[in-house]
Amino acid sequence: EVQLVQSGAEVRKPGESLKISCKGSGYSFTHYWIGWVRQMPGKGLEWMGIIYPGDSDTRYSPSFEGQVSISADKSISTAYLQWSSLKASDTAKYYCARYHPFYCDGADCTLGFDYWGQGTQVTVSS
Amino acid sequence: EIVLTQSPGTLSLSPGERATLSCRASQSVSGRYLAWYQQKPGQAPRLLIHGASSRATGIPDRFSGSGSGTDFTLTISRLEPEDFAVYYCQQFGTSPLFTFGPGTKVDIK
Repeated sequence: EVQLVQSGAEVRKPGESLKISCKGSGYSFTHYWIGWVRQMPGKGLEWMGIIYPGDSDTRYSPSFEGQVSISADKSISTAYLQWSSLKASDTAKYYCARYHPFYCDGADCTLGFDYWGQGTQVTVSS
Repeated sequence: EIVLTQSPGTLSLSPGERATLSCRASQSVSGRYLAWYQQKPGQAPRLLIHGASSRATGIPDRFSGSGSGTDFTLTISRLEPEDFAVYYCQQFGTSPLFTFGPGTKVDIK
């Protein structure tokens, strides 16, 4: 069974750093992209960035480039989203989600975020 | 930059009715890379439709997707009580690499 399990809720002060995680299981972690999506309170979904753990190819949304860092450790099937200096406006729920290789084809190709983590609530408050 | 617009913002319907949700792109999108998601309060989004019209695994056939170019539609043929939720369209392919629409809330009339 494919699962993405995210780390637990975090509370931090402005200016602090944070790294949250997303552990994949039940599939070949290195052969699918892992994307990160932000959802601010009461708002919609925003794509932040995506990483291919097989070769660490990483792409960012222009809105988030330079604000966060995405990485992965394929030896433990885990992707990460990291901030070096949090702001109150980073308060949100963050989801990781799996995406198939961009140009896949065939019956097993699903060009959408097909499995999602449960989300990690990040609260930044002084 | 491709912008996705969804309409209506809120759709108030009764169980058993048909729901028609629209997703319009500011530039042509490959249908291959157009997806729809459902999100219920307190839950992660769930993939419903990929490739504009292919149902994801386990999705009931009352959900269908159609469209091409700049206009896409998600149709729920007969609303079940569990279908009242927020629905998002999403595209892949042009900077930014992924874009979500703002969502359509389907609530009970």
